Amino acid sequence: ELKVEQNPLFLSMQEGKNYTIYCNYSTTSDRLYWYRQDPGKSLESLFVLLSNGAVKQEGRLMASLDTKARLSTLHITAAVHDLSATYFCAVHNAGNMLTFGGGTRLMVKP
Amino acid sequence: GAVVSQHPSRVICKSGTSVKIECRSLDFQATTMFWYRQFPKQSLMLMATSNEGSKATYEQGVEKDKFLINHASLTLSTLTVTSAHPEDSSFYICSAIETISPDTQYFGPGTRLTVL
Repeated sequence: ELKVEQNPLFLSMQEGKNYTIYCNYSTTSDRLYWYRQDPGKSLESLFVLLSNGAVKQEGRLMASLDTKARLSTLHITAAVHDLSATYFCAVHNAGNMLTFGGGTRLMVKP
Repeated sequence: GAVVSQHPSRVICKSGTSVKIECRSLDFQATTMFWYRQFPKQSLMLMATSNEGSKATYEQGVEKDKFLINHASLTLSTLTVTSAHPEDSSFYICSAIETISPDTQYFGPGTRLTVL
């Protein structure tokens, strides 16, 4: 059974600081996704990572994938308040299913 | 981009009643749709996989007689919560995979169900 673990579960950081969210998964997969969720809203797709060593960047967010270590990271550079949200990684399963990590609730303080 | 809608966005019902939630792919055909449930401050848990024209596949621990899923067309799947109870109160999110390009799940905006 595929297990996906994120850490930290909660992150409070100052504006302007950098931090990394980690996503570990237990079995081989060919795809990993990162999503953002604002309170009361559904998921917004951020990144899809398809291969070992894949790196994608959008604004202050950068995601990477190491399939050998079964690890993905979401790096936040010079955080701003607008990045406050909950971030989920999700790993692709057979049958096109996704298994989600527990989520990281990010709070960026001015 | 592909758009998935859900209706209603919010519903309040009395205990013992049934509630139907619709999930539509607006500009693409979706052979497969998924239903998730999310409790406050928790992650998304897959409830079932809905395939057009066939029976849904339920995840372990999800009662198929309580959560009825129908995927009668390539653009519509419905989830009916039967005899709802307060513990069924949750945020229900559907997603759809485009038939011709199954790499991406497109998520609906979610339905907030409150059972009194």
